[in-house]
Amino acid sequence: NAGVTQTPKFQVLKTGQSMTLQCAQDMNHEYMSWYRQDPGMGLRLIHYSVGAGITDQGEVPNGYNVSRSTTEDFPLRLLSAAPSQTSVYFCASWEGDARLPVKTYEQYFGPGTRLTVT
Amino acid sequence: DAKTTQPTSMDCAEGRAANLPCNHSTISGNEYVYWYRQIHSQGPQYIIHGLKNNETNEMASLIITEDRKSSTLILPHATLRDTAVYYCIATDKLIFGTGTRLQVFP
Repeated sequence: NAGVTQTPKFQVLKTGQSMTLQCAQDMNHEYMSWYRQDPGMGLRLIHYSVGAGITDQGEVPNGYNVSRSTTEDFPLRLLSAAPSQTSVYFCASWEGDARLPVKTYEQYFGPGTRLTVT
Repeated sequence: DAKTTQPTSMDCAEGRAANLPCNHSTISGNEYVYWYRQIHSQGPQYIIHGLKNNETNEMASLIITEDRKSSTLILPHATLRDTAVYYCIATDKLIFGTGTRLQVFP
């Protein structure tokens, strides 16, 4: 298993540009999430999904869109990049039961995408 | 949501036990305690979790106080590769704090 993969590894954008960060997992996990990590800070949840077709907002959703058309993929779209979105973005997946409240459980993280917005 | 408090940083000699404390005094009865670590700038790695009882796996042990207001992660024989930021999470809301930076020295 490749686990959780993210592309690209590095990206530089100009202010106002849009782009999509890709995340894929091959573990058939129902739950997936996106976090951002600013220098010297912990991770902050952007959006998460409890299954295909179901997404919800986390702590810092503004400026980002997500969709979950398949179990495997959970892309994160930056609509109009701003310097404040310069960060490292991590995607994670984990097993869960959609009938229960979301639990943290054993999340598997990808290697991250380092984004710089100039 | 249960807020956690962890020391900003700790040191540990290689081969000794590393005991990382976490305070989660507002934890509710059905919230688990989870520990993750992040080595350098890699993605976080799950270590262990527990609800009431102490837990042990191949990586670490988790000791939770009887009142569940605090817990300790124990790395029994720390190695240089255990140098990382350790996060304690005591909520279902997927919230990571700033963690404890553990430095293991030779």
